[in-house]
Amino acid sequence: AQKVTQAQTEISVVEKEDVTLDCVYETRDTTYYLFWYKQPPSGELVFLIRRNSFDEQNEISGRYSWNFQKSTSSFNFTITASQVVDSAVYFCALSENDNDYKLSFGAGTTVTVRA
Amino acid sequence: DVKVTQSSRYLVKRTGEKVFLECVQDMDHENMFWYRQDPGLGLRLIYFSYDVKMKEKGDIPEGYSVSREKKERFSLILESASTNQTSMYLCATRQGAGNQPQHFGDGTRLSIL
Repeated sequence: AQKVTQAQTEISVVEKEDVTLDCVYETRDTTYYLFWYKQPPSGELVFLIRRNSFDEQNEISGRYSWNFQKSTSSFNFTITASQVVDSAVYFCALSENDNDYKLSFGAGTTVTVRA
Repeated sequence: DVKVTQSSRYLVKRTGEKVFLECVQDMDHENMFWYRQDPGLGLRLIYFSYDVKMKEKGDIPEGYSVSREKKERFSLILESASTNQTSMYLCATRQGAGNQPQHFGDGTRLSIL
């Protein structure tokens, strides 16, 4: 079975604050992929990043950074110097080699950035 | 850019009606998916398709069926709509294997009265 847990339901910050979104996953597979998606109020899910199970390098893309730690089964996402446009629902998702690569999503974290 | 188009943003139907949700993609992707999104539950997979005329059940297929007669179009069918099918429905496509990201449409917010 696969499972993705996003324990934070909602996070509210003031603009320019940093915000970290937690994602913990469960899998017995040795080959798997982790994803983050952003869903702005318009509704469309936007792909942000993919990480495979063999690559534990952290990644930074502009104000976004991701911390993948296999030892704790976590794939956390940090937005630095948040902006109002970052307000959205963020989903972490897992696909496994042994499960036909179907995506399992966490419940999502709603981020509200106040001006 | 991949374009995934869902036929309606908002839809209101009555209990017992047969409802069709359409999804069209313009990038020749083999794989297409239907999800429903409910608060606190994230996205749950209803059905998916690896190729024309092929379909596989997802995690919550009960009460739904799908049709894929052409590669670019994947339809979700509610055979007899019920109020517990009120939800946001999202279509997605994927090129290649599961290590590739899925690309989503804007969603259809369906209300069953």
